Amino acid sequence: GEDVEQSLFLSVREGDSSVINCTYTDSSSTYLYWYKQEPGAGLQLLTYIFSNMDMKQDQRLTVLLNKKDKHLSLRIADTQTGDSAIYFCAESGSSNTGKLIFGQGTTLQVKP
Amino acid sequence: EAGVAQSPRYKIIEKRQSVAFWCNPISGHATLYWYQQILGQGPKLLIQFQNNGVVDDSQLPKDRFSAERLKGVDSTLKIQPAKLEDSAVYLCASSEKRGGNNEQFFGPGTRLTVL
Repeated sequence: GEDVEQSLFLSVREGDSSVINCTYTDSSSTYLYWYKQEPGAGLQLLTYIFSNMDMKQDQRLTVLLNKKDKHLSLRIADTQTGDSAIYFCAESGSSNTGKLIFGQGTTLQVKP
Repeated sequence: EAGVAQSPRYKIIEKRQSVAFWCNPISGHATLYWYQQILGQGPKLLIQFQNNGVVDDSQLPKDRFSAERLKGVDSTLKIQPAKLEDSAVYLCASSEKRGGNNEQFFGPGTRLTVL
């Protein structure tokens, strides 16, 4: 089946690095995504990684993929108060329709 | 480029009433999605359209939910009759294509409260 699990809450101090973890079940997922949701807003795509990659870096964001363990992580360097939000991991699943399966979200709290 | 538009932003109804939500996707986007996001959970796909055809509605409670995208642009999602457990944020998203790495752009959502 398709399932995505995330830890619910992470608190860091401004300037520290944040690491948000995710595990997924569908090994046939071609793409894995990280979305950000700020209060009262829709989801915004932060970054994605293709399943044949181990790592992807995009400015302050680093995505690590361990396909063997079906583990995905998002590292935010130099975390700022504006990074406070809910972060969702999503997998593309086994269908090729574009459907996304989301985790329950990790609330990131950044303390000044 | 204008984003995905949704209305209304908030709706409060009593159980057994009906409600409709509207979505206008990004111009030119062929694929449109409706997600349900219950408080504390991630979005769950209800229905996916490719132009005006349904691609996936396996998670749509068809006894009470219906959706249409008649001209392949705007879409409406209806609930009739509503139940307490339908309280959620209903998110509309669109993408240029389906499959592959299709970035989905989300609207701000409609927050539904069923009393």
